[in-house]
Amino acid sequence: DTAVSQTPKYLVTQMGNDKSIKCEQNLGHDTMYWYKQDSKKFLKIMFSYNNKELIINETVPNRFSPKSPDKAHLNLHINSLELGDSAVYFCASSQDHTGVNSYEQYFGPGTRLTVT
Amino acid sequence: RKEVEQDPGPFNVPEGATVAFNCTYSNSASQSFFWYRQDCRKEPKLLMSVYSSGNEDGRFTAQLNRASQYISLLIRDSKLSDSATYLCVVNVYNQGGKLIFGQGTELSVKP
Repeated sequence: DTAVSQTPKYLVTQMGNDKSIKCEQNLGHDTMYWYKQDSKKFLKIMFSYNNKELIINETVPNRFSPKSPDKAHLNLHINSLELGDSAVYFCASSQDHTGVNSYEQYFGPGTRLTVT
Repeated sequence: RKEVEQDPGPFNVPEGATVAFNCTYSNSASQSFFWYRQDCRKEPKLLMSVYSSGNEDGRFTAQLNRASQYISLLIRDSKLSDSATYLCVVNVYNQGGKLIFGQGTELSVKP
């Protein structure tokens, strides 16, 4: 009964390919997020969705396109992968995105993307 | 200047030691403050919130100084299982729930 799950856990691909990462939460939360953790270990927000509506788009290249088919799922599609996209991508969710309910965010196990 | 700054460490301490981590943040509009813990190659997990009055959870004590824009975490009687990276995290009002993470401070507790 994993709370926030992501697939795949590892993804190795070549430059120029297109790939998707899937995320699902079974916590009944309204808000979901994508974070990127680079080689220097900084975790940085990329996107957030609240009940399928885009809330945050943090100046991410438009090769990255999130899609939220319903409030329990937030997928991340990446076009034309580049070497610099290599990182760990974490999905997270919170009860909602305002006030105290946004603070406790539950993270998925991460997807380690390696672009060669 | 980074929005949230921490000493990356590593801090290498013996079991039973007391260790303190510091963090500074640059945005005076920051509203809420947290410490998250991240084990090696795992996801971050909320350790505790940080309140102006200071708060304690067992061996862990967190302090906030809004005037100096400074946050601290004190761990008493360190255990081997405390070995992890401790992330200082800030939330700014009205930014859609965005959490701003520091780089993390690595702690290694040795027998």
